[in-house]
Amino acid sequence: AQTVTQSQPEMSVQEAETVTLSCTYDTSENNYYLFWYKQPPSRQMILVIRQEAYKQQNATENRFSVNFQKAAKSFSLKISDSQLGDTAMYFCAFMKHLTGTASKLTFGTGTRLQVTL
Amino acid sequence: EPEVTQTPSHQVTQMGQEVILRCVPISNHLYFYWYRQILGQKVEFLVSFYNNEISEKSEIFDDQFSVERPDGSNFTLKIRSTKLEDSAMYFCASSPDGTYNYGYTFGSGTRLTVV
Repeated sequence: AQTVTQSQPEMSVQEAETVTLSCTYDTSENNYYLFWYKQPPSRQMILVIRQEAYKQQNATENRFSVNFQKAAKSFSLKISDSQLGDTAMYFCAFMKHLTGTASKLTFGTGTRLQVTL
Repeated sequence: EPEVTQTPSHQVTQMGQEVILRCVPISNHLYFYWYRQILGQKVEFLVSFYNNEISEKSEIFDDQFSVERPDGSNFTLKIRSTKLEDSAMYFCASSPDGTYNYGYTFGSGTRLTVV
């Protein structure tokens, strides 16, 4: 079974600064996907960024980028130029690559990020 | 942008009562999921559904739970006899294929409170 660990329950960053959220995972799979989801106070789950394990290049989406270290099983999220709207709970998640059937997400326990003025 | 729609947004029910949570997945999606998040805890997988049958279910998804796609658009989660510990946020999700190649969209959730 896969496990996802987020060791930072809470973090705080000042507006316009950069913050990095940590995530490690454990799996025996070779093909998989990793994700960061944002959950604002509205509780909706919003995809921030995803990474395919077979790709060496780190994914980026505007101000969001990841540092994917496959050998270390580490998948951190960097938020640059933090904005007040980034305040949310952030979940790291893992999905096995399966074909022909549904593949579930396994989530970490989350990091609550507070962006301050 | 297409959305996964969940109703109701909040439901309060008495312990022992049956409850049905409803979801309308994105119309061309084929795979459907339910997840649960107890307040302050992580999001947990309940069940996946494809081709009118359950693909996978977690240990949480016991005999009190069932899922159904009664028509071409709705996907429901039924809890037969609710317990206090069923109080949680329930998320529906859908995807066009079973992986993340083309997207995996969550609904905005139903907050279930069992009293």
